[in-house]
Amino acid sequence: SQTIHQWPATLVQPVGSPLSLECTVEGTSNPNLYWYRQAAGRGLQLLFYSVGIGQISSEVPQNLSASRPQDRQFILSSKKLLLSDSGFYLCAWRRSPLSEAFFGQGTRLTVV
Amino acid sequence: ELKVEQNPLFLSMQEGKNYTIYCNYSTTSDRLYWYRQDPGKSLESLFVLLSNGAVKQEGRLMASLDTKARLSTLHITAAVHDLSATYFCAVDMGAQKLVFGQGTRLTINP
Repeated sequence: SQTIHQWPATLVQPVGSPLSLECTVEGTSNPNLYWYRQAAGRGLQLLFYSVGIGQISSEVPQNLSASRPQDRQFILSSKKLLLSDSGFYLCAWRRSPLSEAFFGQGTRLTVV
Repeated sequence: ELKVEQNPLFLSMQEGKNYTIYCNYSTTSDRLYWYRQDPGKSLESLFVLLSNGAVKQEGRLMASLDTKARLSTLHITAAVHDLSATYFCAVDMGAQKLVFGQGTRLTINP
């Protein structure tokens, strides 16, 4: 069966510090991968998605970046965090264009 | 601009009542998904709708898709307290891009 791992679960970082969130999927190959952000009490904002290794589509031109160094690994990064980067970050994967997305447990990031 | 809009955004209802959540989207798509999110938790898949006229039911929830109207509905029948959650629709906008609505926060009161 397929599983998705996302870590850490909770993170408190100072303004200006770097960020690296990692997401891995097991039990499938060539998944579509997604990073979403959810501000408190709000909807899901699509940040990045990837249909293959090294292929990243960016939806939000901010101080965040994403990379896919391996088939089942998706990394969200920032060189310098802003207060506005606080939120609940969710990684998701899809098997195919016809399947639903399956979500990781999320990372709650607080920038102080 | 590609948009997915849900209404209402907040819904408070009594147990035993029926209600409908609406999801409108701005581009041609025949792939729509409904999710549930409990407070502080991740998202759980509820329904996958892949064609015009698709209807799926699970317990007290029923989802349908009208691709010509670019509209999906999530109908709640005889609501019970444990259906209280935030419900999201998501639309595949093409090229694997999956866009979510703002969510509908549903509170069911005894």
